[in-house]
Amino acid sequence: DQQVKQNSPSLSVQEGRISILNCDYTNSMFDYFLWYKKYPAEGPTFLISISSIKDKNEDGRFTVFLNKSAKHLSLHIVPSQPGDSAVYFCAASGLSRGSTLGRLYFGRGTQLTVWP
Amino acid sequence: NAGVMQNPRHLVRRRGQEARLRCSPMKGHSHVYWYRQLPEEGLKFMVYLQKENIIDESGMPKERFSAEFPKEGPSILRIQQVVRGDSAAYFCASSRQTSGMYNEQFFGPGTRLTVL
Repeated sequence: DQQVKQNSPSLSVQEGRISILNCDYTNSMFDYFLWYKKYPAEGPTFLISISSIKDKNEDGRFTVFLNKSAKHLSLHIVPSQPGDSAVYFCAASGLSRGSTLGRLYFGRGTQLTVWP
Repeated sequence: NAGVMQNPRHLVRRRGQEARLRCSPMKGHSHVYWYRQLPEEGLKFMVYLQKENIIDESGMPKERFSAEFPKEGPSILRIQQVVRGDSAAYFCASSRQTSGMYNEQFFGPGTRLTVL
């Protein structure tokens, strides 16, 4: 049962433009969301996170937006750079009683390609 | 400040053999998580451990798989009598704590297990 979904397996964007990666979740107990970036043959690298008390978090070129009513979050990268080309994973976690503490639930990932 | 260490990076086993995967968490981290990534899929949670305790093993197959995090030394994920379907990338992650705090996990480079 896929509780975190990334419905676009790939995204291709020109350098300098905005990349928007989307993620949906089904479990209303999730209250913390993370984005990871992964290069081939390496482990995931933490990028940015957001808690459910916020609807936006920004860190440099990366901004994550959370729409709790729609159970949807997105990662915006602007401007996109060729070095951003990687697989991006959305993950969710819960802190509240009743959810499973500790474990992260991952989407299947979106391959972002930024071309010059 | 070393990150999460995993060894070996690559492991080849024949069907029926045992595989042992090791993980040393980041300095100051007392929580360890194991995830498995099958080809073309996201990371799937296997087990969550603290020193000498298994906190959540709900993602572990019921047979042949075991994990430990002893008082001294690395965490070990052990797979007995490996089968071809065990071929995957196994990632270890660590975090400081989860109780009352958001769960930011840092990942190691992974061990790629190939079962012949």
